[in-house]
Amino acid sequence: QKEVEQNSGPLSVPEGAIASLNCTYSDRGSQSFFWYRQYSGKSPELIMFIYSNGDKEDGRFTAQLNKASQYVSLLIRDSQPSDSATYLCAVNEAGGTSYGKLTFGQGTILTVHP
Amino acid sequence: ETGVTQTPRHLVMGMTNKKSLKCEQHLGHNAMYWYKQSAKKPLELMFVYNFKEQTENNSVPSRFSPECPNSSHLFLHLHTLQPEDSALYLCASSQDHMRGWAGELFFGEGSRLTVL
Repeated sequence: QKEVEQNSGPLSVPEGAIASLNCTYSDRGSQSFFWYRQYSGKSPELIMFIYSNGDKEDGRFTAQLNKASQYVSLLIRDSQPSDSATYLCAVNEAGGTSYGKLTFGQGTILTVHP
Repeated sequence: ETGVTQTPRHLVMGMTNKKSLKCEQHLGHNAMYWYKQSAKKPLELMFVYNFKEQTENNSVPSRFSPECPNSSHLFLHLHTLQPEDSALYLCASSQDHMRGWAGELFFGEGSRLTVL
């Protein structure tokens, strides 16, 4: 059974700090990795995706991938209260031939306090 | 209208009722999905349709019956549900894989279902 594991939190950080969200996955052949953000009472929205080992930066967000360790993370720099949400890690099945067959983690609740 | 819209937003039904959830996407996408989101559980993929054809049924009980009349509309017909089926049901759409699908699912706001 393919699994994606996240610490459910809650993770609490002060405003302006770096928030670090972690995710591990079981399927070694997985090829693409995604971070979705879900505000309370809202639907998930994609904020980052990464395919290759290393770092990918987009504004205050950095996704990090280490396929050897089967580990993907999301760093949020200069955290703002508006970043408070649940962050979902998702992994695409190996081969990428399935339409939208993402396996999601249960999500990490992030709270940024002023 | 833009994006992915779902109706109804809230639904309460008894175990013997028959109801349907509706989803419509205005993004020109070719693939549509039903996901189930329960408290403290990961999002669970239920069904995938690509160009109106069902490409994935993730071992969903037959009391859930999907219908996709065209690439813009998706229904989930509900019949003889159980209380444990109470959850948020999310519809999503995406471009088809041939165009380099990047895992970007566009979700609707969801239909909150309560089964009494």
